[in-house]
Amino acid sequence: AQSVTQLGSHVSVSEGALVLLRCNYSSSVPPYLFWYVQYPNQGLQLLLKYTTGATLVKGINGFEAEFKKSETSFHLTKPSAHMSDAAEYFCAVSRNQGAQKLVFGQGTRLTINP
Amino acid sequence: EAGVTQSPTHLIKTRGQQATLRCSPISGHTSVYWYQQALGLGLQFLLWYDEGEERNRGNFPPRFSGRQFPNYSSELNVNALELEDSALYLCASSLVRARSSYNSPLHFGNGTRLTVT
Repeated sequence: AQSVTQLGSHVSVSEGALVLLRCNYSSSVPPYLFWYVQYPNQGLQLLLKYTTGATLVKGINGFEAEFKKSETSFHLTKPSAHMSDAAEYFCAVSRNQGAQKLVFGQGTRLTINP
Repeated sequence: EAGVTQSPTHLIKTRGQQATLRCSPISGHTSVYWYQQALGLGLQFLLWYDEGEERNRGNFPPRFSGRQFPNYSSELNVNALELEDSALYLCASSLVRARSSYNSPLHFGNGTRLTVT
């Protein structure tokens, strides 16, 4: 079985500061990992995904994430937060590149302080 | 390209009634997924349809059901509504190619907010 734990249901950072959203996973097979973002009153939008190959993955809006197998982690980072980054972020794990067995974390709400 | 569209955007029902939610996938996508996003419970997988067939089902009672039409659009039906069914219901689509392991990530619609009073 696969599972995802997002550490911190709420994260608050100042505009221009580093954003770090933590995600740890559990998987009995090599995982495929995803980060999705949900803006208010909208559906989820794919930020980035890790399938195979390079462990540092770059996504949209300046976000990136690093797959660390030894730590079973896939933390999301952005060097400098922008007010428009305020949203809810979901980490997800799957057994394949698609979505048939996609398991989501509980989400982390990111607040940006001016 | 048009994204995943869901209707209605809001739906208010009373306990015991039935709700019908609709979803149109991205053109060319054959798979439709339904998720429930209830307050404090995160995203819970409901149903997966592909090529008109139900392929997988989450841990929900039988009063949650649906179908996929020949044009790949989908309908989610919730019978005998209960207060705890109040949630945002998200539909997503992806492309599944049966002869390979490739399939695209999920593309989500903006959801239908169901309120049961």
